[in-house]
Amino acid sequence: AQSVTQPDIHITVSEGASLELRCNYSYGATPYLFWYVQSPGQGLQLLLKYFSGDTLVQGIKGFEAEFKRSQSSFNLRKPSVHWSDAAEYFCAVGDYKYIFGTGTRLKVLA
Amino acid sequence: GAVVSQHPSRVICKSGTSVKIECRSLDFQATTMFWYRQFPKKSLMLMATSNEGSKATYEQGVEKDKFLINHASLTLSTLTVTSAHPEDSSFYICSARVGETLSGASEQYFGPGTRLTVT
Repeated sequence: AQSVTQPDIHITVSEGASLELRCNYSYGATPYLFWYVQSPGQGLQLLLKYFSGDTLVQGIKGFEAEFKRSQSSFNLRKPSVHWSDAAEYFCAVGDYKYIFGTGTRLKVLA
Repeated sequence: GAVVSQHPSRVICKSGTSVKIECRSLDFQATTMFWYRQFPKKSLMLMATSNEGSKATYEQGVEKDKFLINHASLTLSTLTVTSAHPEDSSFYICSARVGETLSGASEQYFGPGTRLTVT
């Protein structure tokens, strides 16, 4: 079955600390992978995507993600978190239709 | 960039009435749009795929007679919640499919969402 797992429901980090959000997927075909961010009461904004090629992809707002086929993972990272990064983060996989993970809520301590 | 708008941003209606939500692609044409429903602190659930000029394709378990979708133009898709009940209260988000590659991959750009409350 196709699925996306985000093991961490909540993560709290201090401002300036590094961040890694985990995402594992199960997908029968070539995975096209995405990370989206959602602020409260808002829609989703695309942070980055992986279609093919270099497995380390750079996104907006200083985020990056690494595709590891052997681990079926696509973890999101940021070297130094800002207070404005507090939001809900969703990992998704799919080509035409997407399957979303359950999300990770990030809290940033001042 | 590709901008998707939704209207209204929030709506309150009485039980038994119908509500229409609009999803527009502002600076591009979208052959395919998607409608999602998001419950509080939950992920997005795909409700249906809306293709311009054809009938929408609904996901399993979604009542097509309750959630009417129309995609009459390349920039507008509408979701009408008919005979709304309190259990239909939710956050509804649309997206537009953009930039399909030769391999079939594509991006989705999302609208800001519509908060529906049925009293």
